[in-house]
Amino acid sequence: AQSVSQHNHHVILSEAASLELGCNYSYGGTVNLFWYVQYPGQHLQLLLKYFSGDPLVKGIKGFEAEFIKSKFSFNLRKPSVQWSDTAEYFCAVNARTGGFKTIFGAGTRLFVKA
Amino acid sequence: GAVVSQHPSWVICKSGTSVKIECRSLDFQATTMFWYRQFPKQSLMLMATSNEGSKATYEQGVEKDKFLINHASLTLSTLTVTSAHPEDSSFYICSARAGSAGGSSYEQYFGPGTRLTVT
Repeated sequence: AQSVSQHNHHVILSEAASLELGCNYSYGGTVNLFWYVQYPGQHLQLLLKYFSGDPLVKGIKGFEAEFIKSKFSFNLRKPSVQWSDTAEYFCAVNARTGGFKTIFGAGTRLFVKA
Repeated sequence: GAVVSQHPSWVICKSGTSVKIECRSLDFQATTMFWYRQFPKQSLMLMATSNEGSKATYEQGVEKDKFLINHASLTLSTLTVTSAHPEDSSFYICSARAGSAGGSSYEQYFGPGTRLTVT
């Protein structure tokens, strides 16, 4: 079955610390990968996406993610987090084999201490 | 571009009544729309997929007679929660995928969500 797993459910960091959130998927064939952010009380916003090409993708607000096909992973990174990055982060995947239905991981709640 | 709106943004209804939520793609034609629900502090769970002019496909465990989905045009899909109960209280989010005419067919554009509270 198609699935997306995020390893860290809660992460607490101090400002200026580096961030890496793990995401692994279980899908056959070619996949499209996304990271979304949901700030408290707000709706989903797209951080970045990968369809093809350079596996290192840069998104908004200084975030980037690397697609490693052999590991079925799409980890999100940021070199130096800010208090304003406190939010919930969702990894999501869709594929032609799944009718392009986007399936979400469970989410990682990030809290950045000022 | 690629804006999706939902109406209403927030609704309170009494147990036993029905509630209709609208999802519109404002600047593109959406051949496929998706409905998700999100419980507090949880992820988005896909409820159903609807293609314009055809019946919706529901995910396992989702009651199709309770959550009626209509995708009557390329810019509008509606979700009706029938005979709502307090356990239906949730955040309902729609998304739309563009057809070949515009936008990326791989990407879904999400609406802002509708918070339903059933008392």
